[in-house]
Amino acid sequence: EAQVTQNPRYLITVTGKKLTVTCSQNMNHEYMSWYRQDPGLGLRQIYYSMNVEVTDKGDVPEGYKVSRKEKRNFPLILESPSPNQTSLYFCASSFWGLGETQYFGPGTRLLVL
Amino acid sequence: AQTVTQSQPEMSVQEAETVTLSCTYDTSESDYYLFWYKQPPSRQMILVIRQEAYKQQNATENRFSVNFQKAAKSFSLKISDSQLGDAAMYFCAYRTRSNNNAGNMLTFGGGTRLMVKP
Repeated sequence: EAQVTQNPRYLITVTGKKLTVTCSQNMNHEYMSWYRQDPGLGLRQIYYSMNVEVTDKGDVPEGYKVSRKEKRNFPLILESPSPNQTSLYFCASSFWGLGETQYFGPGTRLLVL
Repeated sequence: AQTVTQSQPEMSVQEAETVTLSCTYDTSESDYYLFWYKQPPSRQMILVIRQEAYKQQNATENRFSVNFQKAAKSFSLKISDSQLGDAAMYFCAYRTRSNNNAGNMLTFGGGTRLMVKP
């Protein structure tokens, strides 16, 4: 089954404790992206990647890092989480090209105390 | 930069009736894509319908259709014969057609919560 998976689905952590949210897709998509969702703001892009070893900032990259060492994986790293990073996070992927539909993962709900 | 606005934070509809969700956007581009995504309580993001700006014909997917008014920069979603399973948060999204690095990024509106009454 074609899908985007994220782990963990729920995470509670404390300020400053490094964490990684994994994202994996099995559709051989070149493009992968991370969004965060906050009430009233919709989804905002954090980082994206056009292919292996090619990443770039989205609209709200502060406090986040990403890497793309393999085509299927695109982890999101919070090296020193803060309470304002409490949010719902989505990973998405698609083929690179105009008009390609993006497929979303199930979301990861993060609470930073 | 493009912006997407959904002016209705919440809407409700009676089961089997029709409801229209509003979306407006701001862009200086002439060619782009527009989407409606559904987010049920499970939090999954599900593509409902998409529209290419260069196509004049409004997109339709079963009970879902759009009213795309390019000059007015308006992209509303009509749900016919509403069902209980349609209850969800609905997001309107914009994507540029430019072939640049950010060409795949989606810009989302703030969402509209749709409630369906039995």
